[in-house]
Amino acid sequence: EVQLVESGGGLVQPGGSLRLSCAASGFTFSSYAMTWVRQAPGKGLEWVSAISGSGGSTYFADSVKGRFTISRDSSKNTLYLQMNSLRAEDTAVYYCAKGGVEVPAAPIYFDYWGQGTLVTVSS
Amino acid sequence: SYELTQPPSVSVSPGQTASITCSGDKLGDKYASWYQQKPGQSPVLVIYQDSKRPSGIPERFSGSNSGNTATLTISGTQALDEADYYCQAWDSSTVVFGGGTKLTVL
Repeated sequence: EVQLVESGGGLVQPGGSLRLSCAASGFTFSSYAMTWVRQAPGKGLEWVSAISGSGGSTYFADSVKGRFTISRDSSKNTLYLQMNSLRAEDTAVYYCAKGGVEVPAAPIYFDYWGQGTLVTVSS
Repeated sequence: SYELTQPPSVSVSPGQTASITCSGDKLGDKYASWYQQKPGQSPVLVIYQDSKRPSGIPERFSGSNSGNTATLTISGTQALDEADYYCQAWDSSTVVFGGGTKLTVL
């Protein structure tokens, strides 16, 4: 059974940093791209970042480019999102999701999602 | 940047067919996926690669994609299908979501 469990969310001041983690199990982690998607309170889904199965390719939304970094550790089956220079508009529930197609395919869709972790940026 | 446009809301009577559209430039040349999200829950994939259903998704969910429009169709809509639905595509190394459509079953 595929499981994705996010952690690391919390309250942080504007300009601060936070690292989110997503522990994956139930599939061959390195064979699938992974992604982070966020949802601000009462709003729709917004893609944040994605990473290839090997970790060699990363992709970012313009809204987070230069501030967020995505990485993965296949030895720990864990996906990360390092968030720096956080702003109020980064406040959201952050979901990690598994790419639906084995590498080397691009992450064209996502078949399993975690339960999300809430990030609140406020002074 | 690429954009996907969905109607904010769609209403349907129980047992009837609901259609939710997603529009984007030459969307038919890309793969479209659809996600269902109920209040307080994580998104669930209901259609991928335009028209394929993941295991466990009822047959009443179907999809199509041609030209500039992808369509999610729910036949024999049930009360439990009431949710927000999001379309999604991959374009130029970015993941794009539509703004979402609230499906009301009344």
